[in-house]
Amino acid sequence: SQKIEQNSEALNIQEGKTATLTCNYTNYSPAYLQWYRQDPGRGPVFLLLIRENEKEKRKERLKVTFDTTLKQSLFHITASQPADSATYLCALPDRGSTLGRLYFGRGTQLTVWP
Amino acid sequence: DSGVTQTPKHLITATGQRVTLRCSPRSGDLSVYWYQQSLDQGLQFLIQYYNGEERAKGNILERFSAQQFPDLHSELNLSSLELGDSALYFCASSSDRGLGGTGELFFGEGSRLTVL
Repeated sequence: SQKIEQNSEALNIQEGKTATLTCNYTNYSPAYLQWYRQDPGRGPVFLLLIRENEKEKRKERLKVTFDTTLKQSLFHITASQPADSATYLCALPDRGSTLGRLYFGRGTQLTVWP
Repeated sequence: DSGVTQTPKHLITATGQRVTLRCSPRSGDLSVYWYQQSLDQGLQFLIQYYNGEERAKGNILERFSAQQFPDLHSELNLSSLELGDSALYFCASSSDRGLGGTGELFFGEGSRLTVL
């Protein structure tokens, strides 16, 4: 199985700043990694996927990096807004990615204050 | 709206009882996943079905069982319920993960189970 660690359970930043969330894994390097957003009492919502051969992926104000040497992914939200406040989860597939299961980190709760 | 429908949204029951949670995946999605989310454990993978067949099994207790029907909806049965089973149970679907693809999961809104 895979052990996934996401930095600090909570992150508080001021509106307009860049939020940086970390996802570290300890065992095998996955073929890809996904990031999800989860609001209280709601189901997670997919945001971005980055493959092992990609260093960086962007989508609007979101940027994800993937460093297989460090076994780490960084998730950035630039020009953060209060509406970005949520819990962000990283997810990795099982070894070989053929079994279909995704392992999720426990998430980082982001709060963006005005 | 993810297109994944879960019922019931809330369920309160007593220890020792049995409940059934239902999930309808997005139209066309063949894979269904069940996850359990509790405050102290995070999101835990339980089981996956692909086109009616069990594809992967995670930390699912023997008291729990699931199946996927020909119309692709899925049910998660929880029996001999204990206080510790209280959690949010999520169903998710995807279009190609059963074939080893990298498609994202589409989650339902969850069923909140409270065992008293």
